[in-house]
Amino acid sequence: AQTVTQSQPEMSVQEAETVTLSCTYDTSESDYYLFWYKQPPSRQMILVIRQEAYKQQNATENRFSVNFQKAAKSFSLKISDSQLGDAAMYFCAYRSAVNGGSQGNLIFGKGTKLSVKP
Amino acid sequence: ETGVTQTPRHLVMGMTNKKSLKCEQHLGHNAMYWYKQSAKKPLELMFVYSLEERVENNSVPSRFSPECPNSSHLFLHLHTLQPEDSALYLCASSQDWWGNYGYTFGSGTRLTVV
Repeated sequence: AQTVTQSQPEMSVQEAETVTLSCTYDTSESDYYLFWYKQPPSRQMILVIRQEAYKQQNATENRFSVNFQKAAKSFSLKISDSQLGDAAMYFCAYRSAVNGGSQGNLIFGKGTKLSVKP
Repeated sequence: ETGVTQTPRHLVMGMTNKKSLKCEQHLGHNAMYWYKQSAKKPLELMFVYSLEERVENNSVPSRFSPECPNSSHLFLHLHTLQPEDSALYLCASSQDWWGNYGYTFGSGTRLTVV
């Protein structure tokens, strides 16, 4: 069974600085999707970034980028120029690309709480 | 608004009560999901509906009963719950049947069972 591990329960960053959140996963599959979700105090989970495992290029969305290391099964999120609005819980998630398998089974890590200091 | 709306936002119920959680999406998505989020635990998938047909039930106790009357609405009927069922219940939808492009989540219902 696949697992997702976020080893940092809490992180803190100074406004305008850069922070990296860690995520590792365990799978025997070669094709899958990885996601980072943000959950602010409003509780709504917001998709931050998505990576397809067969793509070598790291995904980027504005100030958010990932460092995808497939061999190491690592998927870290880098937030550049941190803003106060980035303060939230961040969840890493894995989804098998084998359609016909466990549909909808996004496997989440336990999350990292990010604080942004002014 | 997010596109996925959940009501109520908060719910307190006794163990003998019957209540329902409601979720609706007007995004034209084809699949809807119920997740349970408990403190210090990963999100747990409860139910998946694809084109109004339930396709997965992750060994959820029968005191939770889902209903999907159409592609825009999803309910979670609750009865004789236990205190350990207290959690944040999140509804989500996805454009494709498999959710490979990510999900759109609602803001959840914070459920407290007393």
